[in-house]
Amino acid sequence: DGGITQSPKYLFRKEGQNVTLSCEQNLNHDAMYWYRQDPGQGLRLIYYSQIVNDFQKGDIAEGYSVSREKKESFPLTVTSAQKNPTAFYLCASSGAGGSRYEQYFGPGTRLTVT
Amino acid sequence: AQKITQTQPGMFVQEKEAVTLDCTYDTSDPSYGLFWYKQPSSGEMIFLIYQGSYDQQNATEGRYSLNFQKARKSANLVISASQLGDSAMYFCAMRASNTGKLIFGQGTTLQVKP
Repeated sequence: DGGITQSPKYLFRKEGQNVTLSCEQNLNHDAMYWYRQDPGQGLRLIYYSQIVNDFQKGDIAEGYSVSREKKESFPLTVTSAQKNPTAFYLCASSGAGGSRYEQYFGPGTRLTVT
Repeated sequence: AQKITQTQPGMFVQEKEAVTLDCTYDTSDPSYGLFWYKQPSSGEMIFLIYQGSYDQQNATEGRYSLNFQKARKSANLVISASQLGDSAMYFCAMRASNTGKLIFGQGTTLQVKP
């Protein structure tokens, strides 16, 4: 079945450690996205990539880094520079071009940093 | 700047009744897309319905319809014959064709009463 996988579902880390969240899609989508969601809030865009080996900062990129070495994969690293990393992280993908292409989301990773 | 506004933090509806969730948007782009997503307590984001800025007719998908009033910049979601499984958070989002990014509103929590 085609879809987006994110692992793990829950992740716990100590403050000061970098942590990488994985996102894999087999939908053959060109574009991939990372969002952050805080409790009771909407989604905010962290980074996005419209093509392999290229990515752009979203609205809240500080303290995060990404790579896009393969079309299927778009891992997100939460660095120790991120002041408040505890949140729900959602990865999405879509076909590129035009305004029609809806984004398909993975199940998300809940990151807790103590 | 592009913006999505959802003014209803929480809504209640009786099972089998219809409910309207409000969404207004602001953009200077002539071409854009409007989306509604459902987020159950599990956290996944489920795509519900899409409306393009040039679409002449309001979008419908099963029990979901989108009341699109372009001049008023509103894109309200109508859910007919509410079911208990409709209890969730609902997000309105806008995508500009030139960037592909989605901008989300703050969301509306819908509770369906038996």
